[in-house]
Amino acid sequence: ETGVTQTPRHLVMGMTNKKSLKCEQHLGHNAMYWYKQSAKKPLELMFVYNFKEQTENNSVPSRFSPECPNSSHLFLHLHTLQPEDSALYLCASSQEAPAAGSTDTQYFGPGTRLTVL
Amino acid sequence: AQSVTQLDSHVSVSEGTPVLLRCNYSSSYSPSLFWYVQHPNKGLQLLLKYTSAATLVKGINGFEAEFKKSETSFHLTKPSAHMSDAAEYFCVVSDLGGNKLVFGAGTILRVKS
Repeated sequence: ETGVTQTPRHLVMGMTNKKSLKCEQHLGHNAMYWYKQSAKKPLELMFVYNFKEQTENNSVPSRFSPECPNSSHLFLHLHTLQPEDSALYLCASSQEAPAAGSTDTQYFGPGTRLTVL
Repeated sequence: AQSVTQLDSHVSVSEGTPVLLRCNYSSSYSPSLFWYVQHPNKGLQLLLKYTSAATLVKGINGFEAEFKKSETSFHLTKPSAHMSDAAEYFCVVSDLGGNKLVFGAGTILRVKS
């Protein structure tokens, strides 16, 4: 788990709060990802960044705002969330984003358990 | 488009007995296939990966999986379960057409003493 770290590990917030999730990877990778893991649902890809550029937004509501200042750091800014947004948010990184001819292994952080009241 | 189906949501075995977690996939191109494990309150850890080399893939902690193209399957096995294997396991597919990873719904493995 030391390859990809996430903070905080747990977060409780009200619907009017603004908070941010942080992810940092120490693997020298160029691609980073946010996933949402809800109870009894498959893991859902939210965003992909490759070389700091967003390459995928999987129809995520605008109350989730990602930021990737460099290849090692990824943030997820949260604003006016809904109770159904409560979930485990996982960050991952890989050497590069999936592309024709290759699929690099993704390495995951421990996640942030988010509860929206 | 690719998809993956994990045939069992829960599997229960006794310690020391074999483990079989089933996965079927659908992919338009030559797929890459993965198994990840998630222990409680932890992130996903890669167990093993298939990328068109040997069809029998060996992973960590004694797990292995066999790619069977004719059956579109990639089942995960282990000869002898250990208590520490209790976790949730995810089968994942990605095709070489450049699409993103698609995760199965997960199989929760329970190991009884």
